[in-house]
Amino acid sequence: EPEVTQTPSHQVTQMGQEVILRCVPISNHLYFYWYRQILGQKVEFLVSFYNNEISEKSEIFDDQFSVERPDGSNFTLKIRSTKLEDSAMYFCASRREGQTEAFFGQGTRLTVV
Amino acid sequence: QKEVEQDPGPLSVPEGAIVSLNCTYSNSAFQYFMWYRQYSRKGPELLMYTYSSGNKEDGRFTAQVDKSSKYISLFIRDSQPSDSATYLCATTISSGSARQLTFGSGTQLTVLP
Repeated sequence: EPEVTQTPSHQVTQMGQEVILRCVPISNHLYFYWYRQILGQKVEFLVSFYNNEISEKSEIFDDQFSVERPDGSNFTLKIRSTKLEDSAMYFCASRREGQTEAFFGQGTRLTVV
Repeated sequence: QKEVEQDPGPLSVPEGAIVSLNCTYSNSAFQYFMWYRQYSRKGPELLMYTYSSGNKEDGRFTAQVDKSSKYISLFIRDSQPSDSATYLCATTISSGSARQLTFGSGTQLTVLP
């Protein structure tokens, strides 16, 4: 069964460093998303991406965040200068055009020290 | 007022019990409703998806939506220890292409053998 894959599963970084989280969405999906879940809190929407551009973003997705689809299969989230409060699980999701249900990856646990 | 409210539990039931999980929402624009299951430190796994008011059944799971009262439920029949997880309700609006999800806080369920 096709699935969304994310790498790495766990990333530890020092405050102020840049990190790139990687995702391979399901191959025939056209809508891509990043969500964040701080430990013990809700899953929160960060950004959606369609047709090589951001279609929606939340207040959380400020100038330190960026997304990119560098090739036909990968979808990345970059955090330019990490802060302690960026520590969270980051989930990538994707869905097909014309459908609403989104499928999630297993997440990357980001720890900023 | 939170957009989606969900009783966080924890909820503990004996094996074989019927489980009822519930969410309420405030925004009438929410038209699509999903239930996800999340195991500890894993990504949300889509269980059920529904659009219409009424019931939708899939095996031991039944999703129920009442748009007039803005209330959604998930019923699990003949619950099993493997059903022990956090259950997340999620919803999205019908218009717009992004269809990003708004999640409840999740209900932690434990099914005791």
